[in-house]
Amino acid sequence: AQSVTQLGSHVSVSEGALVLLRCNYSSSVPPYLFWYVQYPNQGLQLLLKYTSAATLVKGINGFEAEFKKSETSFHLTKPSAHMSDAAEYFCAVSDPGGYQKVTFGIGTKLQVIP
Amino acid sequence: ETGVTQTPRHLVMGMTNKKSLKCEQHLGHNAMYWYKQSAKKPLELMFVYSLEERVENNSVPSRFSPECPNSSHLFLHLHTLQPEDSALYLCASSQDLAGGYNEQFFGPGTRLTVL
Repeated sequence: AQSVTQLGSHVSVSEGALVLLRCNYSSSVPPYLFWYVQYPNQGLQLLLKYTSAATLVKGINGFEAEFKKSETSFHLTKPSAHMSDAAEYFCAVSDPGGYQKVTFGIGTKLQVIP
Repeated sequence: ETGVTQTPRHLVMGMTNKKSLKCEQHLGHNAMYWYKQSAKKPLELMFVYSLEERVENNSVPSRFSPECPNSSHLFLHLHTLQPEDSALYLCASSQDLAGGYNEQFFGPGTRLTVL
C-alpha cells in the first residue's frame, strides 16, 4: 500500500528565507506525486505534480520539488518565502495504473515571520 | 460559477437532524469525491464516483449517504451524526479515474459541527 510521511507538522521561516517542506513516500511502484496547498477557509489547490517526466518539477508561485527515487523523497522548496505563502501544504501519492486513488499526508503548516 | 462549489459553507446540526451537503463541479469532469478533513489527521477519502457510479466506499458509517444524480452534482446526506463527525467536508473532482495522474480540484468545503 502506498503512504506518505510529511516531517514536521509546523514549519516557521522568516520572510525571504528558503522554504523546505519534506515529504517521503512509500510505494511498490514508481508513483505519481503531488503537492497541494490549502489557504485558510479554502479547499486544496494543486501546486505541482510529478508524473515520471523530469525529476525536477516547477509549480505555481515559485515552488518546485525534486523527485529522488533513491531517497523516496519529494521535498518542496521555494528560494525566498513570502508572507502570502503562509498556508498548509499537503504531499500526496498515487500509483500509476487503472485507478485514481490518492493518499494524502497529514500536512505541514507553514508560518512566515516578517 | 467556476471550479467546484459547495453549499452550505457552514452547518451546525444536532445529532437527530437530517441535512445534506451539496457539491457542484463546473469543469466537465467525470469523477467526484468526498473527503473528511479533521485536525491532525490525513485527509480521509470517503466516497468516489465515476460517471455517477459509486466505485469506492471507504468503510464509511451508514449515517453518511452519498448521492450522485449526474456527473456535475454530488450530495452527502447526513442523519443521526455523532459529535466526532464534526469536521471539514471537502468535495473534489477530476477528469476521470484513469491513470492515477489526474489532479483533483477541490471545493472550499463545508465546516460541519455536530452538537
